[in-house]
Amino acid sequence: QVTLRESGPALVKPTQTLTLTCTFSGFSLSTSGMCVSWIRQPPGKALEWLALIDWDDDKYYSTSLKTRLTISKDTSKNQVVLTMTNMDPVDTATYYCARIWAPRGSGSYYFDYWGQGTLVTVSS
Amino acid sequence: DIVMTQSPDSLAVSLGERATINCKSSQSVLYSSNNKNYLAWYQQKPGQPPKLLIYWASTRESGVPDRFSGSGSGTDFTLTISSLQAEDVAVYYCQQYYSTPLVTFGPGTKVDIK
Repeated sequence: QVTLRESGPALVKPTQTLTLTCTFSGFSLSTSGMCVSWIRQPPGKALEWLALIDWDDDKYYSTSLKTRLTISKDTSKNQVVLTMTNMDPVDTATYYCARIWAPRGSGSYYFDYWGQGTLVTVSS
Repeated sequence: DIVMTQSPDSLAVSLGERATINCKSSQSVLYSSNNKNYLAWYQQKPGQPPKLLIYWASTRESGVPDRFSGSGSGTDFTLTISSLQAEDVAVYYCQQYYSTPLVTFGPGTKVDIK
């Protein structure tokens, strides 16, 4: 049974750095083709893809946010960590982690399992 | 980046009637070498994370009722709910994964009961 759970602060101040952790079970991020992504959703708005890390430790970032984002993994702990610097009130959103399983050559980069999300509010 | 648009923004359909949601990509998401459309659909109910409904534009995820169907190719796609049920009230998103791993979502379409 695949599960993902996001954790992190509910409130951060403007200019601070946000650190979120995705703890997962039911799969291994050392398995070829496995990826974990972060996606966010401002209240009442659409989904926005942020970052992805794959089994081979390759990392990819949203074009518009890549200067502020860092994604990393700890395979032994089944965790993926996202940091976002210089937080602003417009970054207030629910942050989700989600799994992709894309066997080599499949191109199947859709999200089959999602965490429940964690709401992060940016306010002084 | 590939830009996804959806129409309508919202729609209200009577129970048992058909609901149709459209999704358009700014460039083709059809990969000619395998003839697959790199498009997925998700359902998001209030207070819940998105749920994968359909991938490869028309393949239903395991456990998804067959009243949900996806169609289209290239840049134009449709999600159809053949007979709307009360539990289908949600926001529906399309997502392209042609430009992997830099994927993009549509703005969403809200479906309500008339």
